[in-house]
Amino acid sequence: EDQVTQSPEALRLQEGESSSLNCSYTVSGLRGLFWYRQDPGKGPEFLFTLYSAGEEKEKERLKATLTKKESFLHITAPKPEDSATYLCAVQVDFGNEKLTFGTGTRLTIIP
Amino acid sequence: GAVVSQHPSRVICKSGTSVKIECRSLDFQATTMFWYRQFPKKSLMLMATSNEGSKATYEQGVEKDKFLINHASLTLSTLTVTSAHPEDSSFYICSALAGGAVNTQYFGPGTRLTVL
Repeated sequence: EDQVTQSPEALRLQEGESSSLNCSYTVSGLRGLFWYRQDPGKGPEFLFTLYSAGEEKEKERLKATLTKKESFLHITAPKPEDSATYLCAVQVDFGNEKLTFGTGTRLTIIP
Repeated sequence: GAVVSQHPSRVICKSGTSVKIECRSLDFQATTMFWYRQFPKKSLMLMATSNEGSKATYEQGVEKDKFLINHASLTLSTLTVTSAHPEDSSFYICSALAGGAVNTQYFGPGTRLTVL
């Protein structure tokens, strides 16, 4: 059974304090790994797609990396507006577009 | 680009009534859309996959007669919660699949359903 586990469940950082969120996965065959950001009461906002081990993508203060077993979302010098829940999801099986989501990391940046 | 809208954003209804939620892809065509349900502080639970012009595929444990899905065009899918009860109260989110080189799901803003 495909599984996605995110850690930590919640993370509180001071503004400017860099850190990383983890997404570990056990799947039969990875087609793509997705990162989304979700603000309270809103739908998830797409951030990144990673396809193969060693791939990295960046957007402003965020950088996502991928290995054969896990992905990291690195947050550099975060600001209060980066506070949100960050969701990781995997897509497996070519032709099946469903996503399996992790439970998310709730990130709070303290001014 | 890749904007998905949902309507209504909030709905309150009485027990036993039916509620329809619309999901539209505004700037792209989507042959496939998805419907999710999310409980407070929980992750997204896939309810069904909606394919334009064909019947929806429901996940195990989701009652297809209670959650009716129609995908009548390449930009519109609807979810109808029939004979709603308080336990159906939840946050419902749709997504639309943008094809091409990157098959990415783009999500709508969600609909908060409260059944009294």
